[in-house]
Amino acid sequence: ETGVTQTPRHLVMGMTNKKSLKCEQHLGHNAMYWYKQSAKKPLELMFVYNFKEQTENNSVPSRFSPECPNSSHLFLHLHTLQPEDSALYLCASSLGTSGEYNEQFFGPGTRLTVL
Amino acid sequence: GQNIDQPTEMTATEGAIVQINCTYQTSGFNGLFWYQQHAGEAPTFLSYNVLDGLEEKGRFSSFLSRSKGYSYLLLKELQMKDSASYLCAVMDSNYQLIWGAGTKLIIKP
Repeated sequence: ETGVTQTPRHLVMGMTNKKSLKCEQHLGHNAMYWYKQSAKKPLELMFVYNFKEQTENNSVPSRFSPECPNSSHLFLHLHTLQPEDSALYLCASSLGTSGEYNEQFFGPGTRLTVL
Repeated sequence: GQNIDQPTEMTATEGAIVQINCTYQTSGFNGLFWYQQHAGEAPTFLSYNVLDGLEEKGRFSSFLSRSKGYSYLLLKELQMKDSASYLCAVMDSNYQLIWGAGTKLIIKP
């Protein structure tokens, strides 16, 4: 595996389900990110982890819960989601969080549909 | 508030040149990125500008004017595969990336 991988690629869930999104980076990077991408809207930064420590949480509802067990893996735990949470969830990683080290490499995303 | 503006959609002809503009108002500036995103795929890095001026990389060039809060991405010798969305993102004083909504570029034969 190379680059940034995400599983699953597609997920359909009911509002009462609990599911998790997984991201793995094979680039030796130190920072990892979760983004939400909705149609015709800017990428919304959700969470940032730098050296496994959470450094940003952009007022994300508690029904989204991140977990970063090590610098290579990032999870997004989902529970009691709403239909408006349907979107493409992108994971990214970067060598660092400043200057050109903030060049982010993205995974293919998980297309989430909440019924 | 922080704001990144890009045109929503542009159309150009194969073989031609197109310029995609990005204007920004952010709390601080630590660099500007351009990414390309094909439909259904992940964004991929194109360029990074932190100093004023033009950076050329093959058929793609990116320009920055910090005093004007302005950047553009210039694509030359357009190919059909250049049909994609182009995302402008500015790194603010907290080193957080603020993203534009993207410009969808349609290339016609």
